Amino acid sequence: AQSVTQLGSHVSVSEGALVLLRCNYSSSVPPYLFWYVQYPNQGLQLLLKYTTGATLVKGINGFEAEFKKSETSFHLTKPSAHMSDAAEYFCAVSKNSGNTPLVFGKGTRLSVIA
Amino acid sequence: GAVVSQHPSWVICKSGTSVKIECRSLDFQATTMFWYRQFPKQSLMLMATSNEGSKATYEQGVEKDKFLINHASLTLSTLTVTSAHPEDSSFYICSATVSLNTEAFFGQGTRLTVV
Repeated sequence: AQSVTQLGSHVSVSEGALVLLRCNYSSSVPPYLFWYVQYPNQGLQLLLKYTTGATLVKGINGFEAEFKKSETSFHLTKPSAHMSDAAEYFCAVSKNSGNTPLVFGKGTRLSVIA
Repeated sequence: GAVVSQHPSWVICKSGTSVKIECRSLDFQATTMFWYRQFPKQSLMLMATSNEGSKATYEQGVEKDKFLINHASLTLSTLTVTSAHPEDSSFYICSATVSLNTEAFFGQGTRLTVV
């Protein structure tokens, strides 16, 4: 079975500050890991994903995440927060990179303070 | 990325009535579509997996007679909530994928409120 834990249901940062959203996973098979962002009244948009290879993954909008197998983590970071980053962020795990459905974390709401 | 359109975005219905939610892949053929449900402050939980032309596979605890899923074409899947009750009020979201090991794209979700 697979599961995802996102630490912190709400994270608040100042504009220009570092963004760190935490995600830990559990998987009995090599995991495929994803971060999605959801803006109000919109669908989920893929930020980045880890499949195989390089453990540091760069995504859209300046976000990146690092797969750490020893820590079973896949934390999302961004060096400098923008107001437009305020949204709900979901970490998810899958058994493959597409078809097998995703197991989601509960989500973390990011607020950016001016 | 590919576009998945979900309709309606929100719906309010009376207890005992049925509601149909559509999920369309606009620019690709989706062999598989997934339906998720999200209760407030909780994760998106998979309800069922539907493959074009075959019966949907429901997750444990999801009533297949209450949540009817039809995937009659490669671009359309529908979820019908039958005899809706207030506890069915939730956010329903679909995703669609072309084939195994390719990215799944999400619709914008449907907020269902049963009164």
